Amino acid sequence: AQKVTQAQTEISVVEKEDVTLDCVYETRDTTYYLFWYKQPPSGELVFLIRRNSFDEQNEISGRYSWNFQKSTSSFNFTITASQVVDSAVYFCALSEAGLNFGNEKLTFGTGTRLTIIP
Amino acid sequence: DAGVIQSPRHEVTEMGQEVTLRCKPISGHNSLFWYRQTMMRGLELLIYFNNNVPIDDSGMPEDRFSAKMPNASFSTLKIQPSEPRDSAVYFCASSIYRGHQPQHFGDGTRLSIL
Repeated sequence: AQKVTQAQTEISVVEKEDVTLDCVYETRDTTYYLFWYKQPPSGELVFLIRRNSFDEQNEISGRYSWNFQKSTSSFNFTITASQVVDSAVYFCALSEAGLNFGNEKLTFGTGTRLTIIP
Repeated sequence: DAGVIQSPRHEVTEMGQEVTLRCKPISGHNSLFWYRQTMMRGLELLIYFNNNVPIDDSGMPEDRFSAKMPNASFSTLKIQPSEPRDSAVYFCASSIYRGHQPQHFGDGTRLSIL
């Protein structure tokens, strides 16, 4: 069964520090997709990134970067030069595409609450 | 472009009452998902529709919960009768089917059952 683990329940860093949020996943599928979502204090869920299992290239988008390593089943998220607006709960999620063909449901991790201290 | 629209944003009702949550997906999206978020259980998928047809309802807690999608632009999640343990934030999300495209979420309905 698919599973996503975000071991860090809460992280606090001082503004401008770099911070990495960990995500470890479990799947027996060879074809799958990984996602990150942000939930700010206002409560909505905002899509950040989608990555398929065949693309291990790291991705950078402004201050955000993602490190996908199949060897360790990890898809970690780094925020560089953190800002107060980055304070939110961040969720990692997994969707299986091979074994569960046609069913595109997401399995979410429990989330990491990130607090940026001014 | 309009995002996923959920109504109501907040609902407070007494135990035993019927509750209906509504969702309008993004135009052109043909997959629709209902999730529930609680402190204890996190984000859970309740039910998932492709092209208005339920594909996976394994997350629906019990017979008190039902969901419908009568057309491509509207879905409802109904709880009857409601219980205090149903208190949660309910999210609707939509996506383009095929290729595991990102799901886009509504702002959620915060439901409190007294």
